[in-house]
Amino acid sequence: GAGVSQSPSNKVTEKGKDVELRCDPISGHTALYWYRQSLGQGLEFLIYFQGNSAPDKSGLPSDRFSAERTGGSVSTLTIQRTQQEDSAVYLCASSSSLSLSNTGELFFGEGSRLTVL
Amino acid sequence: GNSVTQMEGPVTLSEEAFLTINCTYTATGYPSLFWYVQYPGEGLQLLLKATKADDKGSNKGFEATYRKETTSFHLEKGSVQVSDSAVYFCALKRLYNQGGKLIFGQGTELSVKP
Repeated sequence: GAGVSQSPSNKVTEKGKDVELRCDPISGHTALYWYRQSLGQGLEFLIYFQGNSAPDKSGLPSDRFSAERTGGSVSTLTIQRTQQEDSAVYLCASSSSLSLSNTGELFFGEGSRLTVL
Repeated sequence: GNSVTQMEGPVTLSEEAFLTINCTYTATGYPSLFWYVQYPGEGLQLLLKATKADDKGSNKGFEATYRKETTSFHLEKGSVQVSDSAVYFCALKRLYNQGGKLIFGQGTELSVKP
């Protein structure tokens, strides 16, 4: 696609339910990142994929959070047993080896807003 | 550890006013520095960057100079427009970070009034 696509754009769920957030990166981008944007907290790094493997998952806040990437393309972020503090905008970004070498630029989607009641 | 600190917002300015958004960083070595902008309803996009000390990044009338001695990368624009209203994020990437992970500040919201 033309840009990074994320779905759903908005998700309201009840505390304790599981949610899945999807990211479709720019075609050909091998690097994929998940960030969380909370009010007043800036962008918090969650996990980085290179291809299908995740060499850096240091930002996942608890074992309720997991992510996978298949076929070197689409990624899914799963939050189990959601809590109210999980409410945030979850951003996905992708990049190519060329972009990372030349400019270091990441290309972001518009995000998925999660509200846990 | 590595971190980025930005001035708190929101910043409210009149059109054609001078803009400064302060950004300081803590990092081992000499990171690359970035400013990203998030317009309402859109994803973050790269505004400008600098990769070494004394480099000046510039784009769309915005400028920022990499100051190693003060570990700063302040964003400036001489005359803001209503269309500059957005949230601005300062970020760093550690040298030799093969993964390309960026560390962001908390963002500064700018509102420009006509």
